[in-house]
Amino acid sequence: DGGITQSPKYLFRKEGQNVTLSCEQNLNHDAMYWYRQDPGQGLRLIYYSQIVNDFQKGDIAEGYSVSREKKESFPLTVTSAQKNPTAFYLCASSIGWGQGNNEQFFGPGTRLTVL
Amino acid sequence: ELKVEQNPLFLSMQEGKNYTIYCNYSTTSDRLYWYRQDPGKSLESLFVLLSNGAVKQEGRLMASLDTKARLSTLHITAAVHDLSATYFCAVDGTSGSRLTFGEGTQLTVNP
Repeated sequence: DGGITQSPKYLFRKEGQNVTLSCEQNLNHDAMYWYRQDPGQGLRLIYYSQIVNDFQKGDIAEGYSVSREKKESFPLTVTSAQKNPTAFYLCASSIGWGQGNNEQFFGPGTRLTVL
Repeated sequence: ELKVEQNPLFLSMQEGKNYTIYCNYSTTSDRLYWYRQDPGKSLESLFVLLSNGAVKQEGRLMASLDTKARLSTLHITAAVHDLSATYFCAVDGTSGSRLTFGEGTQLTVNP
């Protein structure tokens, strides 16, 4: 089955600790995205990547970092610089820019809690 | 900067009733997407609208796009409890492949 997987489903972080959230897709999509969702709120874009080895900051990139070394993978690191990281993190992918349809497909999400 | 506004943000309705959720956006685009999110879950794609006048229907939901008015509607017919969820619209802007999402409409259908 094609799809997007995220792990872990739940993650607990101590203050001052960096943590990495995994996102993998086997849809052969070029573009991948990371969003943050706070309770009762909409989605805010953290980072996105339109092609391997390239990525751009979204609207709330401070305190986060990403890499895109493989087409299938787009891990997100939440650094200690992110002061309020408790949130629901969603990864998505789409075929890619210029394809006429930018429908995004979402993974199941990772719920991060700071202890 | 592309802005996307949904209204209402909260909607409580009775089973069997009809209602419409509106999605307005600020700059030219002819591609719009609707998603559903259940509490504690991820987003699920509902409709993809890729041209002016596009209309898609699935069960009790029907979505349409008017690119000249910069407006999409999500119409609910004879609501049932299972439709209770948060609905997001997202618009294809000019910055590559990224989408701009509305704030979401939290729909509650009461028996």
